[in-house]
Amino acid sequence: DAKTTQPNSMESNEEEPVHLPCNHSTISGTDYIHWYRQLPSQGPEYVIHGLTSNVNNRMASLAIAEDRKSSTLILHRATLRDAAVYYCILFGSNDYKLSFGAGTTVTVRA
Amino acid sequence: GAVVSQHPSWVICKSGTSVKIECRSLDFQATTMFWYRQFPKQSLMLMATSNEGSKATYEQGVEKDKFLINHASLTLSTLTVTSAHPEDSSFYICSARDRGRGLTGANVLTFGAGSRLTVL
Repeated sequence: DAKTTQPNSMESNEEEPVHLPCNHSTISGTDYIHWYRQLPSQGPEYVIHGLTSNVNNRMASLAIAEDRKSSTLILHRATLRDAAVYYCILFGSNDYKLSFGAGTTVTVRA
Repeated sequence: GAVVSQHPSWVICKSGTSVKIECRSLDFQATTMFWYRQFPKQSLMLMATSNEGSKATYEQGVEKDKFLINHASLTLSTLTVTSAHPEDSSFYICSARDRGRGLTGANVLTFGAGSRLTVL
């Protein structure tokens, strides 16, 4: 399985943007980049995913490097409800199961 | 959007008893569901893949006779922790894939809220 590397933790102030990096230097051409987040005492929830182009949705934006060896999840205006563990996961077109790493714990200061 | 419901959300049981956790896809059919376990301060660990109408596929190191999985319909999978012991206390989470979300979204998983098991 292709691996991802994320910082253990990140702090942000409320109403400010948060940029969460993810390195995946061994990514293959068919691997999608998925992001999930897990709020305290809850199951993970899907945030966003992409293949090559940058993606935007109501929750976040995903910026993918041109060589696809890294990506950045962008929360445009952090709120206290965005405090969670964010997981960056590679998911190939032939994969059927999702494997979680340690993720990045995001803390949002009021 | 796709919703996965888990029940119970928390359960306390005595050592030696069995506990059943249900996972339902509420508005879509799921031929495959996944069961994860999460200990405090740790990440999710995949336990097994539940396949509708066939046997579950267990990850290495997971005892299939202890963690019984049944996927009898396209909307329901159950995990039974048999002869539970305190070391089985954990947060159990199921997930399912909504195959109707289109090509690029076909691999997006929807997770349940989790079931916290405490074995005394």
